[in-house]
Amino acid sequence: RKEVEQDPGPFNVPEGATVAFNCTYSNSASQSFFWYRQDCRKEPKLLMSVYSSGNEDGRFTAQLNRASQYISLLIRDSKLSDSATYLCVVGKAAGNKLTFGGGTRVLVKP
Amino acid sequence: GAVVSQHPSRVICKSGTSVKIECRSLDFQATTMFWYRQFPKKSLMLMATSNEGSKATYEQGVEKDKFLINHASLTLSTLTVTSAHPEDSSFYICSASPVPGQSTDTQYFGPGTRLTVL
Repeated sequence: RKEVEQDPGPFNVPEGATVAFNCTYSNSASQSFFWYRQDCRKEPKLLMSVYSSGNEDGRFTAQLNRASQYISLLIRDSKLSDSATYLCVVGKAAGNKLTFGGGTRVLVKP
Repeated sequence: GAVVSQHPSRVICKSGTSVKIECRSLDFQATTMFWYRQFPKKSLMLMATSNEGSKATYEQGVEKDKFLINHASLTLSTLTVTSAHPEDSSFYICSASPVPGQSTDTQYFGPGTRLTVL
């Protein structure tokens, strides 16, 4: 079983719609959680950290469920520029090592 | 924000040659840098953790004699792919954390180096 699993998609989303997807992680000792965005042939860029209480950044909302070991990302009012691969990233307490999920591809269409 | 650069951005080399990739933190000091590899349509896989002034820690399955890492200063880490072969062709990405030792630190990624071995 992979440490961090994501639905690879693609999620085809009409412009203006809402899309949500999850990520599950296997290590219960994981301490930090992030969503990164990666555009084709580019490096990952931090989208947002994910906190236990859930957090929102503009049109993006992230949730963490430690009991079920999953995190989620919701994108409201999707823009064409939201088309990208969204990487779920989990960190352990020691050594600051990050484990990346395989990514969920989102395609926003007019 | 924290900026990390990589050089070169793209390199094409012949099989058997060695290639050095530099990773620099431009506006902060990083005692720890990380090297990742990403194959097409796959996720990033951590290769090694580079610690300033000490030996790198390699992930299982990564040959330390093939992927030489040097972290000589707080702003520079280098990855040398020795005797490169076509199967080493990949997207190599480094990252750095501005503040050491905290598990909640984010990592800032370099723009990556695309290596093609002919």
